[in-house]
Amino acid sequence: QVHLQESGPGLVKPSETLSLTCTVSSDSMDSYYWAWIRQPPGKRLEWVGHVFYRGSTTYNPSLKSRVTISVDTSKKQVSLRLTSVTAADTAVYHCARVADPAFYFDYWGPGTPVTVSS
Amino acid sequence: DIVMTQSPDSLGVSVGERATLKCKSSQTLLHFSNNKNYLAWYQYKPGQPPKLLIHWASMRQSGVPDRFSGSGSATDFTLTISSLQAEDVAVYYCQQYYSTPHTFGQGTKLEIK
Repeated sequence: QVHLQESGPGLVKPSETLSLTCTVSSDSMDSYYWAWIRQPPGKRLEWVGHVFYRGSTTYNPSLKSRVTISVDTSKKQVSLRLTSVTAADTAVYHCARVADPAFYFDYWGPGTPVTVSS
Repeated sequence: DIVMTQSPDSLGVSVGERATLKCKSSQTLLHFSNNKNYLAWYQYKPGQPPKLLIHWASMRQSGVPDRFSGSGSATDFTLTISSLQAEDVAVYYCQQYYSTPHTFGQGTKLEIK
C-alpha cells in the first residue's frame, strides 16, 4: 500500500514563495513519476507537474515559469515550490503517484489547503 | 490544451438505481499506436484523497466494486454505477492523459434522490 501526506504552511503572502512537501510511505519511489495537482475553490482539478524519481520534470505551461518540483528518494519526499504567488494560487494541493506506464494517478494524498493572503 | 466537459454538473439518483455520468473531450483520446483511450475516472469525497476508479476508459482499478463501469471511445465517455449505494455520494472527475497538460473535467456531483 502507498500513502502520501502533504505538509507545509497554510498561509502565504502575495508575491512570496509557496513551499510544500509530500512524504511517501511505500517500499520504494523507484521507477515512478510523482505529481502535484491542485484544486482552487469552486474550480476543477489542475495538474501542476510531475517529477521522475531520477529528477526529470514536466510542468504545466500555465505555471512553468514559477514552479519547481523536486524529489529526494533517500527521504522519500517530493517537494513543490511556487514563486510569486497571487490569490489565484489559493487551492488545496495534492501530491499523487503517477501510475505505470501511463499518466493517470493511482494514489493521492488527502491534500493540504493553502491560502494566499496578506 | 484538451478541454474536458462533464455532464450533468449534478445528478440525483435513488439508492439501487443506475447513475450515468458523461465526459466529453475536445480532441480524441484514442491513440492509434495501441488502440487505447487515455481516460481515467476518479471519485472524490470530502476529507478523503481522490480515488482512482477507472483507467484506459474501461479498466476497473483493483478493489473497485464491479457496480462501477466505464465505456466510450475517442471523445465521448461514460461512467456508470449500476446500482447506486449511499456511500457512492461524491464528486466524480474524468481526466485525460493523452497529452500534457493533463486535464480534468469540472466534475459531476452525485447525490441521493
